[in-house]
Amino acid sequence: ETGVTQTPRHLVMGMTNKKSLKCEQHLGHNAMYWYKQSAKKPLELMFVYSLEERVENNSVPSRFSPECPNSSHLFLHLHTLQPEDSALYLCASSLQGHRDDEQFFGPGTRLTVL
Amino acid sequence: AQSVTQLDSQVPVFEEAPVELRCNYSSSVSVYLFWYVQYPNQGLQLLLKYLSGSTLVKGINGFEAEFNKSQTSFHLRKPSVHISDTAEYFCAVSDHRSGGSNYKLTFGKGTLLTVNP
Repeated sequence: ETGVTQTPRHLVMGMTNKKSLKCEQHLGHNAMYWYKQSAKKPLELMFVYSLEERVENNSVPSRFSPECPNSSHLFLHLHTLQPEDSALYLCASSLQGHRDDEQFFGPGTRLTVL
Repeated sequence: AQSVTQLDSQVPVFEEAPVELRCNYSSSVSVYLFWYVQYPNQGLQLLLKYLSGSTLVKGINGFEAEFNKSQTSFHLRKPSVHISDTAEYFCAVSDHRSGGSNYKLTFGKGTLLTVNP
C-alpha cells in the first residue's frame, strides 16, 4: 500500500450504532488530519494530530472521537450520529515542521446515517 | 481569519477550449496558496501550490495559476482542456507560520469543471 488509505470506503449506520473509520499513511509523515466534506460546503477541518498529540479540535461534537495511536494510524470513532453527519470523511497526512508540508489525502469514507 | 471564495460553482466547457477557474482569498497575513483536484469517488490531489518566488506557478496535467497579491487572487488556467479534466477543483489557503508549518488549510466551496465533447 502506498500513500494514504482509508477503510471502509462506504459506511451506512443507524443513529444508535457505534462504528470507527480508519486511516493509515505510508509516507513517513508526522501529522494527520480529519476533514468533513458535505455537499455545497467547503471542506471542514475537524481534527489535527501532530506527533500523535491532538493540536486542533474545531468545535466538533463529542459524538465524533478521534484516536491517534501512532504516527501512521488515525481513527475516528462514531456514536449516536445524526442524519446531518452524513458526508464524505477525508483523512490527510503531512510532514509538519517542514516548509513544504503538503497534505496528502486519502480517498475518503462515504458515511450515510439513517 | 482567512477565507476563500470560488466565484463559480460550475464551469462547463468544450474539449480543447481554454478554461479559467477563479479564486479570491482574504487574509491579514502572508499566505501559501493551493489548488487541489478531486475526481469522482476519490480524495483530493494537489495540482499546484504557491509558496514564494515567481507568481506564475505550473502544476500537473498542464495547469498553471498566477498569484496576484494586489487583487488577492490565485486563478487556475489551462489552455486546452480534455474530457479527463472533468472534476471538482478546490482552492485553498494557509497562513505562514514560524517554522514553515502550514497545517491549517482553508478551502473554498469548489468549482465543478465539466468538459464536454
